[in-house]
Amino acid sequence: AQKVTQAQTEISVVEKEDVTLDCVYETRDTTYYLFWYKQPPSGELVFLIRRNSFDEQNEISGRYSWNFQKSTSSFNFTITASQVVDSAVYFCALSGGRNSGYALNFGKGTSLLVTP
Amino acid sequence: EAQVTQNPRYLITVTGKKLTVTCSQNMNHEYMSWYRQDPGLGLRQIYYSMNVEVTDKGDVPEGYKVSRKEKRNFPLILESPSPNQTSLYFCASSFAVDPSYEQYFGPGTRLTVT
Repeated sequence: AQKVTQAQTEISVVEKEDVTLDCVYETRDTTYYLFWYKQPPSGELVFLIRRNSFDEQNEISGRYSWNFQKSTSSFNFTITASQVVDSAVYFCALSGGRNSGYALNFGKGTSLLVTP
Repeated sequence: EAQVTQNPRYLITVTGKKLTVTCSQNMNHEYMSWYRQDPGLGLRQIYYSMNVEVTDKGDVPEGYKVSRKEKRNFPLILESPSPNQTSLYFCASSFAVDPSYEQYFGPGTRLTVT
C-alpha cells in the first residue's frame, strides 16, 4: 500500500526564517514519482516539483529546495527566507501504480503561516 | 491558454437533488481524474479516465458517477447528493497515463449539500 505522511499539521514562522516541511512516504514500487503542491488561500493547487525515484539529487529553485533521500523514504521541502506570500497549505504526493490509474496519493498537508 | 476548467465554482444544493460538475481541458490530454479534498484528509481520488469511454474507480467512488464521451470533458455526477459529499472537488488532467507527466488541476468546485 502507498502512503504519504506529513507529520507537521501546522507551522508558524516569522518572515525571513527558514522552514522545512517534512514528507515521508511508503511504497513497494521500485519506480515512482514524488510531488509537492502548494495550495494558497485562494484554493487552487499549484505544482511545485516532480522527482522520480531514480534521481536523488537535491534541487534548488530560488528560495525553494528539496531533499530526496531514498534511504529514509523522505522528500523534504525547505523554504529559505520565508515570505508572507509563502503562507499556504503544502501537499506532498506519491504517484500510484498502474493498478490505481496512477492516482496521486496525497499527504494530509502542512499549513504554513508566515507572519510579518 | 492551456487550462482545466470546472463549473460551477461554488454550489449549494439540497440532499437528493441531482447535480453535475463539469470539467473540461483544452490540452488534448488522455488522462483525467476527479479528487475530493476534505479537512484533515488531504485529497482523495474519486474516479479516473485513461481515455474516451475508459473510466475506473478511485479510492472513494461511492455516490459518484462519471462519463468520458469526449476527450476534453469529464463530468462528475452526483445522482443523489448527501451532506457527506460536501467537499472541495478538483478535476485534473495529464497528457498520458504515466506519472512522469504533470497533472494539471482545475480551480476547484466547492460543493455544499444541506
